[in-house]
Amino acid sequence: AQSVTQLGSHVSVSEGALVLLRCNYSSSVPPYLFWYVQYPNQGLQLLLKYTSAATLVKGINGFEAEFKKSETSFHLTKPSAHMSDAAEYFCAVSELGAQKLVFGQGTRLTINP
Amino acid sequence: DAGVTQSPTHLIKTRGQQVTLRCSPKSGHDTVSWYQQALGQGPQFIFQYYEEEERQRGNFPDRFSGHQFPNYSSELNVNALLLGDSALYLCASSLRRGSTWGTEAFFGQGTRLTVV
Repeated sequence: AQSVTQLGSHVSVSEGALVLLRCNYSSSVPPYLFWYVQYPNQGLQLLLKYTSAATLVKGINGFEAEFKKSETSFHLTKPSAHMSDAAEYFCAVSELGAQKLVFGQGTRLTINP
Repeated sequence: DAGVTQSPTHLIKTRGQQVTLRCSPKSGHDTVSWYQQALGQGPQFIFQYYEEEERQRGNFPDRFSGHQFPNYSSELNVNALLLGDSALYLCASSLRRGSTWGTEAFFGQGTRLTVV
């Protein structure tokens, strides 16, 4: 069975600082990996995805993630945090493209002015 | 392009009642999946519909059922509501053509269900 662990339910950084949100996955087959963002009272918006092409994936809003098979990790980073980045972030894994996504518990990102 | 639309946005029901939630997928998408997101949790997969049939199912009881219509829209039905069914219900649409699976799922804004 697949699973996702997001280390840190709450991350707080200063505006302009590096953002690092951690995600480790478990999968018996080559995975598809995703990062989604959720703003209050809204649905999920896809930030980026890994589909077995380049291991460094660039997404929207300056975010990127690196797939590391040896570490079973897919951490999300952004060089410089902006106030508008404050939201809940979810890492997800799947065996079949964007089907039957298995999500982590989420990480709430807070940006301090 | 309207994206994924869900209705209603909010709903309050009493224990034991039944509820129907609706979802229209993004234009061009043929697959609809439903997720339940309890407060403070990540979304959990309920089931997926493709070609008007349930194709995959998560660990949810038979009280949760669904339907997909010829225009690809979908309904989620929950019978005998429990307090624990209170959650945000998210619909996601994606594209599957035969054996080729799409790699992007677009989510709607969700329906907030409160069971009292």
